[in-house]
Amino acid sequence: AQSVTQLDSHVSVSEGTPVLLRCNYSSSYSPSLFWYVQHPNKGLQLLLKYTSAATLVKGINGFEAEFKKSETSFHLTKPSAHMSDAAEYFCVVSDWRRDDKIIFGKGTRLHILP
Amino acid sequence: DAGVIQSPRHEVTEMGQEVTLRCKPISGHDYLFWYRQTMMRGLELLIYFNNNVPIDDSGMPEDRFSAKMPNASFSTLKIQPSEPRDSAVYFCASRTTSGRYNEQFFGPGTRLTVL
Repeated sequence: AQSVTQLDSHVSVSEGTPVLLRCNYSSSYSPSLFWYVQHPNKGLQLLLKYTSAATLVKGINGFEAEFKKSETSFHLTKPSAHMSDAAEYFCVVSDWRRDDKIIFGKGTRLHILP
Repeated sequence: DAGVIQSPRHEVTEMGQEVTLRCKPISGHDYLFWYRQTMMRGLELLIYFNNNVPIDDSGMPEDRFSAKMPNASFSTLKIQPSEPRDSAVYFCASRTTSGRYNEQFFGPGTRLTVL
């Protein structure tokens, strides 16, 4: 069965410093992986997705994620945090060969300190 | 493109009343998903449709919840009777035909408060 674990429920970084949000997945098949962001009182917006074309995936707003099959990880990074990055981030896995559902992690709330 | 449209954005009702949430998917998308988000349980899939047909409703919490999709451009989620524990944000999402990398597009959500 597929599952996804976000290792930190809260992460705090200072503005201008790097961001690392960790995600590990479990999947019976070659998974599809996504990161979504949810700003306060807003819907979910796709940040990036793993498409197997490259293990390092670039997304919007300067975010990147690296797919590491050996570690079953898909961590999200950004070199320099901005105040506007404060939001909740969800790692998502899909066993696309099984069904059309996606599984959400429990989310990581990113706090940006001035 | 208008994106996924949900209405109302906010709903406050009293316990026992019927609540109807509405969703208009992105034109051309043939999958529609209903989710519920709470602090305690996070994001939960309630039900999803493909070509207007319900495919999996195993996430619907109980018989008080029902969902319909009468056509490709409209879906409803109904709660009757509503209870305080139904208070949550309900999201609708849509997606194109099944494909490995086809992401879901989410609406802004409906914040439901049952008093």
